[in-house]
Amino acid sequence: AQRVTQPEKLLSVFKGAPVELKCNYSYSGSPELFWYVQYSRQRLQLLLRHISRESIKGFTADLNKGETSFHLKKPFAQEEDSAMYYCALSGLRGNTGFQKLVFGTGTRLLVSP
Amino acid sequence: ETGVTQTPRHLVMGMTNKKSLKCEQHLGHNAMYWYKQSAKKPLELMFVYSLEERVENNSVPSRFSPECPNSSHLFLHLHTLQPEDSALYLCASSQAPGLAGGPEFFGPGTRLTVL
Repeated sequence: AQRVTQPEKLLSVFKGAPVELKCNYSYSGSPELFWYVQYSRQRLQLLLRHISRESIKGFTADLNKGETSFHLKKPFAQEEDSAMYYCALSGLRGNTGFQKLVFGTGTRLLVSP
Repeated sequence: ETGVTQTPRHLVMGMTNKKSLKCEQHLGHNAMYWYKQSAKKPLELMFVYSLEERVENNSVPSRFSPECPNSSHLFLHLHTLQPEDSALYLCASSQAPGLAGGPEFFGPGTRLTVL
């Protein structure tokens, strides 16, 4: 089965502190992983994908196949980072060959001044 | 408005009504998606269209019927819904589905309440 677990519903940090949003996945094949973000009163949007190995808004995420994790990290949190963050996994193909994207339940990040 | 738009933003309907949700994208993307977001549940993929052809139906009940007349428009026709179908319905788009990964841009959603 294909599953994404975000163990923390809420993560609260102070401005300037390091942030790590946890994401663990369950998938027997070779996964593609993503982070999505939803700021207050804004729509959901793609933040980054592991195949791009990119850093967006100071956030990075490394795929650790041994630990089946894809944690999102930022060394110094900013107040504007406060948002809902969703981890997602693409791997299992449907009957048409399309790769389904499975989302976690999300973690709300609150960055206080 | 640019990006992905959805209408209506809010919809209240009875179980015997027939209504449609509309999604429009102005990004030149080839793939469009319908997702359902229920309270305290992860986003659930419902349908995917690539180049106006349905490429995925994620075991969605037949009371939900998608339609993609062209690559810029996507509809979700609703009939004889149940109260448990009340949720936020999100439309999304991407340049290409499947191999390239998931949706890139989401619409604001339609908040559906079934009485």
